Amino acid sequence: EAQVTQNPRYLITVTGKKLTVTCSQNMNHEYMSWYRQDPGLGLRQIYYSMNVEVTDKGDVPEGYKVSRKEKRNFPLILESPSPNQTSLYFCASSFRGTAYGYTFGSGTRLTVV
Amino acid sequence: QKEVEQNSGPLSVPEGAIASLNCTYSDRGSQSFFWYRQYSGKSPELIMSIYSNGDKEDGRFTAQLNKASQYVSLLIRDSQPSDSATYLCAVIPSGGGADGLTFGKGTHLIIQP
Repeated sequence: EAQVTQNPRYLITVTGKKLTVTCSQNMNHEYMSWYRQDPGLGLRQIYYSMNVEVTDKGDVPEGYKVSRKEKRNFPLILESPSPNQTSLYFCASSFRGTAYGYTFGSGTRLTVV
Repeated sequence: QKEVEQNSGPLSVPEGAIASLNCTYSDRGSQSFFWYRQYSGKSPELIMSIYSNGDKEDGRFTAQLNKASQYVSLLIRDSQPSDSATYLCAVIPSGGGADGLTFGKGTHLIIQP
């Protein structure tokens, strides 16, 4: 089944404790992206990647890191999480850039206390 | 700033009626347009894409695009309670979309049985 897999689905952590949210897609998509979704603010792009070893900042990159060492994987790293990073996170991938729209992962609900 | 505007709602429609969802965008050079459906706490799901002026129909859904007015809409015929969700409008802005889709904040649709 073609899909984007995120893990974990739910995570509660403490301020300052490094964490990684994994994202993997099995559709051989070149383009991958991370979004966060907050009430009243909608979906905001954190980072995106056009292909292996090619990443760039989105609209809200502060406090996040990414890497793209393999085509299928695009992990999101929070080196020192803070409560304002409490949010619902989505990974998305797309074939041939974004022309055909995204396929989203199932989401990760992160709470930083 | 490239913006996509939607009425947040809630938009309440009786079961069996036509639901009409609207979206305007600021970037006149925008190229591709998408409608996503998102149930509460779930990931967005692509339901329609439209690339040229006019109407595009898929089952009970019709997307309408008017580039001159910078307006895109989604009609849902014979609305069902299962259509109750938030509908996100997304746009590929001018420049090809290398930096991703721009999303509206969504319209919350409620279908009343």
